[in-house]
Amino acid sequence: QQQVKQSPQSLIVQKGGISIINCAYENTAFDYFPWYQQFPGKGPALLIAIRPDVSEKKEGRFTISFNKSAKQFSLHIMDSQPGDSATYFCAATPTAYNFNKFYFGSGTKLNVKP
Amino acid sequence: DTGVSQNPRHKITKRGQNVTFRCDPISEHNRLYWYRQTLGQGPEFLTYFQNEAQLEKSRLLSDRFSAERPKGSFSTLEIQRTEQGDSAMYLCASSLVAALAGESEQFFGPGTRLTVL
Repeated sequence: QQQVKQSPQSLIVQKGGISIINCAYENTAFDYFPWYQQFPGKGPALLIAIRPDVSEKKEGRFTISFNKSAKQFSLHIMDSQPGDSATYFCAATPTAYNFNKFYFGSGTKLNVKP
Repeated sequence: DTGVSQNPRHKITKRGQNVTFRCDPISEHNRLYWYRQTLGQGPEFLTYFQNEAQLEKSRLLSDRFSAERPKGSFSTLEIQRTEQGDSAMYLCASSLVAALAGESEQFFGPGTRLTVL
C-alpha cells in the first residue's frame, strides 16, 4: 500500500510556465514533508520541505502548499526553466520516530520545453 | 568531492550469484540509510544504521540481504542468491544526528544500478 500518492506521472511545461505536482497521504502521523529533485544518474537531492504548522513555504521559484485537512501538499515551480527538467519526488515521515523513515511518492518526470 | 559515494555504479550479474555494494557516507555523518529504487518508483527504505548499529530493517529486506557498517564509517549491502526481482537502483544516504539539533538533511549517493540476468 503506497503511503504517499503523487501525480502526475509526467509533466511537460513551456519555459516560463508554472509546474505543479501534487501529493496526498493518509497517515496523520506524518509531520515532515520534503520534496526531492533527481537528475539522471544522480541520487535525489533535497529541494524544499515543510511542516504542517504552516500552509505555505517559498524558497526562490519553489513553493510548497500544504492542506492539512485534505492531507495534500503540492510543489509549484514558478518561471520553469529547462534546467528544472528532472524527476521530482514528494516524501513524508513521522518525526516522532527516532529516525527519518521517508515514504516517497512514485515521482513526476518534468520536462521544461525551451 | 565530499559527498556520499557508492561503488560500483553499475553491476550486472547472473541469477543466483552474490553481489556486494559499498557506500561511503559524508565523513562526519553518523547515520546511514539504504534505499531501493525500482524503475518509475520512488526510493523505498530498506535499513538504517546509527554509527555501527543496525537499528531498523524493512520487511523488503529478505534473508538474502545483509548490511553491515563495521566501524561506523562505510557500509556494505550484500545480496545472496540474486533473483531477477532484485534488479533495481540501490541508494545510500547519510545524515548527521546531533543531540540538540536533531537529524540533518539526508544526502543521497548516486546509487548502484543492479541488473540480474
